[in-house]
Amino acid sequence: EVQLVQSGAEVKKPGESLKISCMGSGYRFTTYWIGWVRQMPGKGLEWMGVIYPGDSDTRYSPSFQGQVTISADKSISTAYLQWGSLKASDTGIYYCARRGGNDWFDPWGQGTLVTVSS
Amino acid sequence: QSALTQPASVSGSPGQSITISCTGTSSDVGGYNYVSWYQQHPGKAPKLMIYEVSKRPSGVSNRFSGSKSGNTASLTISGLQAEDEADYYCSSYTSSSTLDVVFGGGTKLTVL
Repeated sequence: EVQLVQSGAEVKKPGESLKISCMGSGYRFTTYWIGWVRQMPGKGLEWMGVIYPGDSDTRYSPSFQGQVTISADKSISTAYLQWGSLKASDTGIYYCARRGGNDWFDPWGQGTLVTVSS
Repeated sequence: QSALTQPASVSGSPGQSITISCTGTSSDVGGYNYVSWYQQHPGKAPKLMIYEVSKRPSGVSNRFSGSKSGNTASLTISGLQAEDEADYYCSSYTSSSTLDVVFGGGTKLTVL
């Protein structure tokens, strides 16, 4: 079974750093793009960026370029989303998903809730 | 990166059919047959329902169908059921950004 399992919920203070993870299993991790999506409380889905674990080629949405870092460790089939200095506005649920074609992503991870509050 | 345009809400009664639109431009929806639709129930991760405009993944009910005309894609749900009540998002490949996918703003479907 193809599966993406994300790390658990995080509670952080503004200015702190954070790295969340997304581990793939049941398929060849290096040959599929992984995307990251933000969902702010009560809001819609936003694409943040994608990474190809095979060579770490990474593309960012202009809205998130410079705000987060997407990386991958293919030796442990894991993709990461990282913040250097969190803001309250980073509060939300973050999903990873495997890209299966030019437009579609499946499956999705279960989501990681990030809460940033002083 | 502009989102695709979806109606904020639609509603229908059990057994009826509804259609959700997703309007983009010639750089995304209109230029490629690469539109997908996702269903999201409260507190759950999104689920792929339609890809490449009209293809259904294995396990998705044939009550869900997709189509496209010009710059507008559509998701139709026939024989509405209570469990169809959810948020629906379209997504498209795009050539107009450094990131080649874009979402719609989402549509809340209420089954009356």
